[in-house]
Amino acid sequence: AQTVTQSQPEMSVQEAETVTLSCTYDTSESDYYLFWYKQPPSRQMILVIRQEAYKQQNATENRFSVNFQKAAKSFSLKISDSQLGDAAMYFCAYRSTHGMRFGAGTRLTVKP
Amino acid sequence: GAVVSQHPSWVICKSGTSVKIECRSLDFQATTMFWYRQFPKQSLMLMATSNEGSKATYEQGVEKDKFLINHASLTLSTLTVTSAHPEDSSFYICSASILAEIYEQYFGPGTRLTVT
Repeated sequence: AQTVTQSQPEMSVQEAETVTLSCTYDTSESDYYLFWYKQPPSRQMILVIRQEAYKQQNATENRFSVNFQKAAKSFSLKISDSQLGDAAMYFCAYRSTHGMRFGAGTRLTVKP
Repeated sequence: GAVVSQHPSWVICKSGTSVKIECRSLDFQATTMFWYRQFPKQSLMLMATSNEGSKATYEQGVEKDKFLINHASLTLSTLTVTSAHPEDSSFYICSASILAEIYEQYFGPGTRLTVT
């Protein structure tokens, strides 16, 4: 079974600084997608960024980028120029034809 | 585009009663819908996957007779919690995907269920 591990329950970053959230996963599949979702206090899941496993190039979306290491099964999220609105729970997720699995989440606090 | 709604957003019911939660894809046809459960300060746990017109596939440990899922149309899936108990109190989130974007999921805003 696929598992997703986020080893940082909480992280804190100063406004305008950069922070990296870690995620590792375990799978024997070759075809899958990886996602980072943001869940603010409203609890609406918001897609931050996605990575197709077959792509070697790391995905980037504005201030958000990932470091995808397929062999190491690692998928970290880097948030640059952190903003107060980035404060939320962040979930790493693994998606294959068998469904989606989420990590335990990392609560990000942004200090002004 | 790709908006998913849930109704109600919050429901309170008495122990022993049943409650139905609706999940609708507003501007697309959802070939597959998913139901998740999220306890406070915890992650999302997949409960079941449903394809339109087919029986839902439940995850291990999820009671199919307690959590009835119906996906009768390409825009509507319902989750009925039967004979609810206080331990069923949780946040229930649905998501939907399109056949052409099978790896993408669009999430609803969630439903908070409180069983008294």
